Amino acid sequence: DAGVIQSPRHEVTEMGQEVTLRCKPISGHNSLFWYRQTMMRGLELLIYFNNNVPIDDSGMPEDRFSAKMPNASFSTLKIQPSEPRDSAVYFCASSLGPVLAQYFGPGTRLLVL
Amino acid sequence: KNQVEQSPQSLIILEGKNCTLQCNYTVSPFSNLRWYKQDTGRGPVSLTIMTFSENTKSNGRYTATLDADTKQSSLHITASQLSDSASYICVVSAGGNNRLAFGKGNQVVVIP
Repeated sequence: DAGVIQSPRHEVTEMGQEVTLRCKPISGHNSLFWYRQTMMRGLELLIYFNNNVPIDDSGMPEDRFSAKMPNASFSTLKIQPSEPRDSAVYFCASSLGPVLAQYFGPGTRLLVL
Repeated sequence: KNQVEQSPQSLIILEGKNCTLQCNYTVSPFSNLRWYKQDTGRGPVSLTIMTFSENTKSNGRYTATLDADTKQSSLHITASQLSDSASYICVVSAGGNNRLAFGKGNQVVVIP
């Protein structure tokens, strides 16, 4: 299995631009998680889906952030408009269930200038 | 105040030595506690998951303990290797809504 796949691996953009991060979970996994990691705040859960349905989006910082999971094999995290404080590493993880072991992707390193 | 506190923040140990990392939490009600290892530039990798009824769980040279009464967990690394240099993150899941609380991590550096 290829594991969780994220794209792009690196993204540099200017403030105000739209950013779309993509994730392909491990086949057969029912739960998908989006995280953000910074030096200051550590790892933070933004949102998670179970069977393609958003279950908990309380970690989404503000309306500029949105996430979708149109099918079991694809999810996106969108930031519009982006701001410099959004610069972080964004991880996607998947698991067989919300309380089971999560498998993380390699992350997308986002820099907003 | 963070619901999960890890100590020490950073640690340097000699190759071959043992070390213990601490995680104290206030999350309630408790569902499970996980330890992750994160190498620099990589995503976290799950080491152990423990529920309320489990006191000890091992994964190779990594042994996690849990005391749900005192709300403390430890991760013990035996006979450390250079590849153990990483950040170790403690994550506690709350019962009911499975809301996750994250520690800031223990940064371990193993030197030859």
